[in-house]
Amino acid sequence: DAGITQSPRYKITETGRQVTLMCHQTWSHSYMFWYRQDLGHGLRLIYYSAAADITDKGEVPDGYVVSRSKTENFPLTLESATRSQTSVYFCASSELGTDNSPLHFGNGTRLTVT
Amino acid sequence: LAKTTQPISMDSYEGQEVNITCSHNNIATNDYITWYQQFPSQGPRFIIQGYKTKVTNEVASLFIPADRKSSTLSLPRVSLSDTAVYYCLVGGPSGSARQLTFGSGTQLTVLP
Repeated sequence: DAGITQSPRYKITETGRQVTLMCHQTWSHSYMFWYRQDLGHGLRLIYYSAAADITDKGEVPDGYVVSRSKTENFPLTLESATRSQTSVYFCASSELGTDNSPLHFGNGTRLTVT
Repeated sequence: LAKTTQPISMDSYEGQEVNITCSHNNIATNDYITWYQQFPSQGPRFIIQGYKTKVTNEVASLFIPADRKSSTLSLPRVSLSDTAVYYCLVGGPSGSARQLTFGSGTQLTVLP
């Protein structure tokens, strides 16, 4: 089925460890996004990508790294996890570049940093 | 950035019409207004999108006044399953994707 999938669904890691959250979409949308959601803050944009090999910072990029070697994948890496990065992470995709297509979200990854 | 402001929460009863207003005073000429619905443990889901006047689909209506500085999402005859957080988002194809930031949303609770 076409869609956007995130993995893992749940992840527990320790402070200082590297962790990568995966995002895969089957629509071939040009734009992909990573958001984090915390109580009281709504959804905050971490990074986005307009196409393969093109990425840019969002509102809260510190402590995160992204890459996009293929159109369909947009992994998010926490190089040295901190407790403040405990959150729910959502990936989204869209065809913003060609029309005003809305964002399509995955079901999120709940990350706990101990 | 077209910052948005919404009420933090609203309560309603089953069968009533619910109107949620979003303020976006510095909306740009080419910006669209999009509303999303989010249930617990799920990603936001697209509800409706508009540019001006009124848009209606099978689940909601969107009212946008001439100055476009606000918009109102209208949910007719809500049910318990409409309990969710509702977000408005302002942006457009000519703007930067970096502008696609969500506000805190409106928690709608539908009571029996």
